[in-house]
Amino acid sequence: DSGVTQTPKHLITATGQRVTLRCSPRSGDLSVYWYQQSLDQGLQFLIQYYNGEERAKGNILERFSAQQFPDLHSELNLSSLELGDSALYFCASSVESLNTGELFFGEGSRLTVL
Amino acid sequence: AQSVTQLDSHVSVSEGTPVLLRCNYSSSYSPSLFWYVQHPNKGLQLLLKYTSAATLVKGINGFEAEFKKSETSFHLTKPSAHMSDAAEYFCVVYNQGGKLIFGQGTELSVKP
Repeated sequence: DSGVTQTPKHLITATGQRVTLRCSPRSGDLSVYWYQQSLDQGLQFLIQYYNGEERAKGNILERFSAQQFPDLHSELNLSSLELGDSALYFCASSVESLNTGELFFGEGSRLTVL
Repeated sequence: AQSVTQLDSHVSVSEGTPVLLRCNYSSSYSPSLFWYVQHPNKGLQLLLKYTSAATLVKGINGFEAEFKKSETSFHLTKPSAHMSDAAEYFCVVYNQGGKLIFGQGTELSVKP
């Protein structure tokens, strides 16, 4: 158990809808990262927050947004969903603001868009 | 730009035999390299990391990897496979922008 908690584990929704994925980092970790894992794209970095502030941005679509709250949990919002957004979304956490490569991953939220 | 290439998408071994998962990297400077493992329906877990200290890096569960600059390789090995090693393995390079670049993954199957 990594100590990173993600909810929901599974989510099925329709095209055009909006969903929110939630992540609670390990106790004491200030950084939260979001990754998308799909069969065709592999693991893609989306965005990083550190202590409530956006720290780094990856291949995140404009339809997607994220935030980190004062209690350090984070939410990833996905809107105007398309079939291609079906994927496994991982949250990871670490202590530092600079990504040293040592991340602790949650078990992921599997999103299916029908 | 940094990148990693995992040379095999799938590797199958018998229990008790050696494991070799191959990874080549591309980097314009001395890279930091990692191997992560993903068991079915689980998140990724760090196996080991190389950050320019010893070139032979030991990780968890008996895995190790050797950094070979001349070959731009960072292959993952284990002397004797166990059934519980069946998983997907990712070779990862850390780029100058502070981001991790993941390889496409190698699925390891272990036959009894």
